Amino acid sequence: KQEVTQIPAALSVPEGENLVLNCSFTDSAIYNLQWFRQDPGKGLTSLLLIQSSQREQTSGRLNASLDKSSGRSTLYIAASQPGDSATYLCAVRPGGYDGNQFYFGTGTSLTVIP
Amino acid sequence: SQTIHQWPATLVQPVGSPLSLECTVEGTSNPNLYWYRQAAGRGLQLLFYSVGIGQISSEVPQNLSASRPQDRQFILSSKKLLLSDSGFYLCAWSAPQDYLGYTFGSGTRLTVV
Repeated sequence: KQEVTQIPAALSVPEGENLVLNCSFTDSAIYNLQWFRQDPGKGLTSLLLIQSSQREQTSGRLNASLDKSSGRSTLYIAASQPGDSATYLCAVRPGGYDGNQFYFGTGTSLTVIP
Repeated sequence: SQTIHQWPATLVQPVGSPLSLECTVEGTSNPNLYWYRQAAGRGLQLLFYSVGIGQISSEVPQNLSASRPQDRQFILSSKKLLLSDSGFYLCAWSAPQDYLGYTFGSGTRLTVV
């Protein structure tokens, strides 16, 4: 069974700083990996989706990378803003038998200090 | 475009009362549908998923059940709520063939008192 880990669990940075969030998974046989943002008391908003054949995806100040062989993905946030404060989760869709399910990490809680 | 609707947004129910949460998807057909629960300070726990009408898979034994009476409707139910059923419930859908990832509903905050 796929296990997904996110480090660190919490992160606090001053506004304007660039930062990296980490996601690791145990089984490299994946179809895709998705990064989400969750604001307190709200649902999950999709940020970026990386297919297994891709190495990275970019959207605005966000860049997500994928290294399947090492079981790792990173979410890079450039020039952080207080509005980026939220919990960030990664989810892995495995290949094969479990292909209809996604496995989530426990998230990184980000606070950007003005 | 596809949209997902989940209601109600908040719910306060007494112990022992029944529960019905509804989720509908528009703009797609034959979606995979999911119910997740997020307890305070914990990660997302997959409760049920469905790949078609009447097809329900349960991930963990619990006090809850799910049904899919129509292609784009997914219902989470309980006959008698427990205090431990409190949490944030999220519905999601995904397209089974083109791997576009998950899209989540806005969630239901359930408090059992």
